[in-house]
Amino acid sequence: QSVLTQPPSVSAAPGQKVTISCSGSSSNIGNNYVSWYQQLPGTAPKLLIYENNKRPSGIPDRFSGSKSGTSATLGITGLQTGDEADYYCGTWDSSLSAGGVFGGGTKLTVL
Amino acid sequence: QVQLVQSGSELKKPGASVKVSCKASGYTFTSYAMNWVRQAPGQGLEWMGWINTNTGNPTYAQGFTGRFVFSLDTSVSTAYLQISSLKAEDTAVYYCARESDSASFDYWGQGTLVTVSS
Repeated sequence: QSVLTQPPSVSAAPGQKVTISCSGSSSNIGNNYVSWYQQLPGTAPKLLIYENNKRPSGIPDRFSGSKSGTSATLGITGLQTGDEADYYCGTWDSSLSAGGVFGGGTKLTVL
Repeated sequence: QVQLVQSGSELKKPGASVKVSCKASGYTFTSYAMNWVRQAPGQGLEWMGWINTNTGNPTYAQGFTGRFVFSLDTSVSTAYLQISSLKAEDTAVYYCARESDSASFDYWGQGTLVTVSS
C-alpha cells in the first residue's frame, strides 16, 4: 500500500490529452514539492516534473504538473505512442516514518 | 554530463550478501545526497533511504534497517548498497538516484537486478 494514491491505469488515443492524479496528505504533498517520473519499459525512471510544475531541460512542454492542497496532477497533451510508460509521483513525508514516498504508479496506454 | 553507473546483475543464494555500486561522474560527488530506491518485479518504486555524501551519515527507511547498509568511497565518487542475509523477497532492481537541490531525484543509475534464489 503506497503512501500516495494514483490510479493504476489510464488510456487515451494518440493526440489526445490525459491527466494522472496523485493524492496524499498534509504530511507529504500538503507541505512538500511534488515530482513526477516516467519509467519506460525496461528502463530507469526519469524526472519529468519537479517542484510541482517545473520541467527539467529537455522535457517537452506537452508535460505539465500542478498541485492543489494534498493532491497533484500530471498532464500530458498531444499523446504519442512513445509516451506509453509507467508514471510515478513522489514527494517527501514529514510524519513519524519520514522520508521519500512514491505513488503506486500509473500505467499509461496510448490506444 | 551527469552519469550514475551501477554494477551488473547479481545472482545470490539465500543467506548470502551482495554489494551494489553506483559510480558518479560529471559533477562534484559530495555536493548532492545519494538515495536508493527498490523496485520488486512488476511492482512500483520504494524509497530505501539516503546517504549524506559529505558526512557519510546514512538514513534508512522503515523496512530497510538492519540488513541494509549504505556507504561511500568519495575518492572514487562511488556509493554502495550492501544487503546481508539475503532473502527471496530481496529480489528486485535497485536504483541509486541523485537528490537535486529541489529535493527531487534528477539523475538515476541504470539499475542493478539482484536475484536471490537457491
